[in-house]
Amino acid sequence: QSVLTQPPSVSGAPGQRVTISCSGSSSNIGAAYDVHWYQQLPGTAPKLLIYDNSNRPSGVPDRFSGSKSGTSASLAITGLQAEDEADYYCQSYDSSLSGVVFGGGTKLTVL
Amino acid sequence: QVQLQESGPGLVKPSETLSLTCTVSGGSISSDYWSWIRQPPGKGLEWIGYIYYSGSTNYNPSLKSRVTISVDTSKKQFSLRLSSVTAADTAVYYCARLAPVTTNFDYWGQGTLVTVSS
Repeated sequence: QSVLTQPPSVSGAPGQRVTISCSGSSSNIGAAYDVHWYQQLPGTAPKLLIYDNSNRPSGVPDRFSGSKSGTSASLAITGLQAEDEADYYCQSYDSSLSGVVFGGGTKLTVL
Repeated sequence: QVQLQESGPGLVKPSETLSLTCTVSGGSISSDYWSWIRQPPGKGLEWIGYIYYSGSTNYNPSLKSRVTISVDTSKKQFSLRLSSVTAADTAVYYCARLAPVTTNFDYWGQGTLVTVSS
């Protein structure tokens, strides 16, 4: 059972918009700790996609965006493309555990 | 461009100690936090712990009794030791850099699969 809760799967057709939620609590997201998102393509290491809630590292398309409100965060992907099919993970820090926490991951399927 | 590379045995017997090393290149090890993260086959990511270049550490409470992370700045390496392993410790083990100032992992190794089996 992950500290951060994500839906196991989401799907969308090419060109559509999808969102992936990440639900936490008052000891992590709600405590103002930043949320980060990673994309993991099959057989590869995770790649930083969004950092500090809503910032994109250099090279990440602006089709990817992040937001945070209260004890939750969201990743939005617009103009869905086949190459976006991957697993997505949210990550934050938890003060009760005094350490890093990940969401359970969400598998995105492009129909 | 920082690069990380994991190395170590791919097979460990139950009850023994898993040992992995991460070699850092393309940047300095002496200024950041360095971490180990694992992913059991078909499952999600689990943070194991991190170490500052000075040697201070922070471990996942669920693994703390079995984990030791150390650093050798002269070799630009940091290492993971996980004792008393069981089949549940079978996973791809990643080393990663904790980005300066923030709490995200900006550089990752390619990962190495460690199987616990007799």
